[in-house]
Amino acid sequence: DTGVSQNPRHKITKRGQNVTFRCDPISEHNRLYWYRQTLGQGPEFLTYFQNEAQLEKSRLLSDRFSAERPKGSFSTLEIQRTEQGDSAMYLCASSSLTSGGHQETQYFGPGTRLLVL
Amino acid sequence: GQQLNQSPQSMFIQEGEDVSMNCTSSSIFNTWLWYKQDPGEGPVLLIALYKAGELTSNGRLTAQFGITRKDSFLNISASIPSDVGIYFCASAGGTSYGKLTFGQGTILTVHP
Repeated sequence: DTGVSQNPRHKITKRGQNVTFRCDPISEHNRLYWYRQTLGQGPEFLTYFQNEAQLEKSRLLSDRFSAERPKGSFSTLEIQRTEQGDSAMYLCASSSLTSGGHQETQYFGPGTRLLVL
Repeated sequence: GQQLNQSPQSMFIQEGEDVSMNCTSSSIFNTWLWYKQDPGEGPVLLIALYKAGELTSNGRLTAQFGITRKDSFLNISASIPSDVGIYFCASAGGTSYGKLTFGQGTILTVHP
């Protein structure tokens, strides 16, 4: 399977605990994105990487959130001191630029569903 | 910030009927994408559009990138039960690349 993979698929944690999610992008894709999706809404952008560089972060990404992509391959998203409002689906997507850098299509993983009790 | 207005919010149709949904924005975009999402899963890409006026088909699905670059529609012909799901439009901003802005989604229910 050469699609985007995410682990774990589900995570239940208690408020105040730290959690870490992993995303493995499609192997030749140099761009990786994190989104958050709450019930009944479309995904909202959190942050993105080009290779190992984190190029943009949303205001949604509070200082309790940190993302890394140390070798430009897989990425991790950590949430420290989780709050009930962090409960959501966390989606990862990857892409590469084609057609001379003018076209980009993002492919999504299955997501990690987080429930904070 | 940028927002996409997607309509309708939900549709209840009979198997075999055609479906149409659309997205509009006050901002210009360079890419329009349509995704389908099943419960508990990530969005799956249906159609990608890169040029104003572009009309693209994928089986029973047809989508168009509006001439003004501020809108797009998705049509599904001869719907079948497995078309059930949530359909999202998404766009990349004026800088061409990077983060996607999503619509609110259209929930499609198909009655056999």
